[in-house]
Amino acid sequence: KAGVTQTPRYLIKTRGQQVTLSCSPISGHRSVSWYQQTPGQGLQFLFEYFSETQRNKGNFPGRFSGRQFSNSRSEMNVSTLELGDSALYLCASSWVAGGGYNEQFFGPGTRLTVL
Amino acid sequence: DAKTTQPPSMDCAEGRAANLPCNHSTISGNEYVYWYRQIHSQGPQYIIHGLKNNETNEMASLIITEDRKSSTLILPHATLRDTAVYYCIVRVANGGSQGNLIFGKGTKLSVKP
Repeated sequence: KAGVTQTPRYLIKTRGQQVTLSCSPISGHRSVSWYQQTPGQGLQFLFEYFSETQRNKGNFPGRFSGRQFSNSRSEMNVSTLELGDSALYLCASSWVAGGGYNEQFFGPGTRLTVL
Repeated sequence: DAKTTQPPSMDCAEGRAANLPCNHSTISGNEYVYWYRQIHSQGPQYIIHGLKNNETNEMASLIITEDRKSSTLILPHATLRDTAVYYCIVRVANGGSQGNLIFGKGTKLSVKP
């Protein structure tokens, strides 16, 4: 079974631009979560989607948004990029079965550099 | 904020057992202890989780104290490939929300030949 895939793997943008990152979960997984990892703040939760609905959101400004499609693939968008948005963006998928915990499977991440 | 406390770093000799401690003194009765690890520049990888009984799988063992205020992850025969940052996370298992893992700083384990 293929793992979680994220595209692109590396991205360089300039301040003020916007960016869209993509995540394809493991086949059959319906929950997709996004995390930001920086040296200073570590791994921080951005948001979670399930069945095209945002179910949970971390403490990030509105410039960070996401969506999920009917095939469970997810995208996240960051508008008006700032230098501090440079980070590794990780996507994780899991199979949700009416509650309870299922391990999250993480993708390799997208390394975003903002110049 | 993370509800766990871990030493920032540890060393272990290759082939020996690596014992990684975690304090979670404010854990609630319905919260589980989870362990993930992150090898440099890769996404985190799930290792194991438990409520109050000791757990073992093909990767590791998890020992939880009787009062549940601390736990230890044991890698029985550490290899160089086990060099990673190990995260101990406490969260409620039920509730349907799969996201929102709260990661702390973790323990950087260095396995040395």
